[in-house]
Amino acid sequence: AQSVAQPEDQVNVAEGNPLTVKCTYSVSGNPYLFWYVQYPNRGLQFLLKYITGDNLVKGSYGFEAEFNKSQTSFHLKKPSALVSDSALYFCAVSPSPPGSARQLTFGSGTQLTVLP
Amino acid sequence: GAVVSQHPSRVICKSGTSVKIECRSLDFQATTMFWYRQFPKQSLMLMATSNEGSKATYEQGVEKDKFLINHASLTLSTLTVTSAHPEDSSFYICSARDHRTADTFGSGTRLTVV
Repeated sequence: AQSVAQPEDQVNVAEGNPLTVKCTYSVSGNPYLFWYVQYPNRGLQFLLKYITGDNLVKGSYGFEAEFNKSQTSFHLKKPSALVSDSALYFCAVSPSPPGSARQLTFGSGTQLTVLP
Repeated sequence: GAVVSQHPSRVICKSGTSVKIECRSLDFQATTMFWYRQFPKQSLMLMATSNEGSKATYEQGVEKDKFLINHASLTLSTLTVTSAHPEDSSFYICSARDHRTADTFGSGTRLTVV
């Protein structure tokens, strides 16, 4: 069975500083990794995904994530944080590519707060 | 991009009544739809996986008679919370999957049972 760990419940960063939200995973076979963001009382918005190819994935709103197979990590990063980035971030993993019926497994979420 | 519409966004109902939540993929056909439940400040808990034209697959511990799922077409799935009780109050989120990209999520439904 697959699993995802987000070790930090809360991350605080000053506006303009770089941010990192950590994620590690466990899955049999090749991982398919995703980051989603959730604003209060809203569904999840897709940020980016890793399927194959370059380890550095660029996504929406200036976010990027680096796939590290040896460390089984997929940390989310942004060079310069904005106050509007404050939200709940979820990492997710699937053992199968998009389009399959296999379910996503979500991490517990990390609340990012960007301080003005 | 892919859009999933979920309605209603908020609903308040009396204990003992039933509530239906709709999830529609607006610009793509969803081979599979998923229903999640989310408690405050917690992650998403998968309730069931729904494929068009077949019975939903429920996760362990989820009562299928309590949470009725119908997936009548490739663009519509519904979740009916039957005989709702206060403990069913929660945030329910659907997602739809096609062959191209990541899952697309609805905006969620805040259910309050009084």
